[in-house]
Amino acid sequence: QSALTQPRSVSGSPGQSVTISCTGTSSDVGGYNYVSWYHQHPGEAPKLLIYDVSKRPSGVPDRFSGSRSGNTASLTISGLQVEDEADYYCCSYAGIYTYVFGTGTKVTVL
Amino acid sequence: QVQLVQSGAEVKKPGASVKVSCKASGYTFTNYVIHWVRQAPDQGLEWMGWINTGNGNTKYSQKFQGGVTFTRDTSASTAYMELSSLRSEDTAVYYCARVSQLVYDYWGQGTLVTVSS
Repeated sequence: QSALTQPRSVSGSPGQSVTISCTGTSSDVGGYNYVSWYHQHPGEAPKLLIYDVSKRPSGVPDRFSGSRSGNTASLTISGLQVEDEADYYCCSYAGIYTYVFGTGTKVTVL
Repeated sequence: QVQLVQSGAEVKKPGASVKVSCKASGYTFTNYVIHWVRQAPDQGLEWMGWINTGNGNTKYSQKFQGGVTFTRDTSASTAYMELSSLRSEDTAVYYCARVSQLVYDYWGQGTLVTVSS
């Protein structure tokens, strides 16, 4: 089972928007409404940002949004803030009770 | 509040085994599946598999099948991950995470396992 493909890095200035893509197949991202996104600051455990493609848990700022088109899911951070600098991972259910993570994207705030 | 607290860092020699624990609190342990995720140094997250804490059923990623064992002790609200025949490539941080409706909603703090001769 191959990891989902994410860009290695994206960057933006404070206040700008950035979008991270997560490309899989019809057997994972495109096949189930169970794509989630996590961010991870250095030395910390990942934290949930988005689940079920586009839902936001309580407490997550609304500048984080998720979407999907075909086999590619996307996370958009609107109004980038300094504290958004972190690693971001997508994750998808892949059938038969298995999961797969994305390769990870480093977000840099310029 | 929900917490997953993992055991401390380990240093092991190649060929040895290691057992990492993940103690849950703040919720009914047997109501949620626990997953294990690996993160090698400066690498991404890698799904290892899960254990159904209620009935003990397990599912392993093909990559880890045969080299890892998940168990749990319901009386202690603790899940365990045992890796055998350790190699240097197994050096990584290992996380446990609770799954609710196919989402990782709570994570342990991670346990660094270093394999070195």
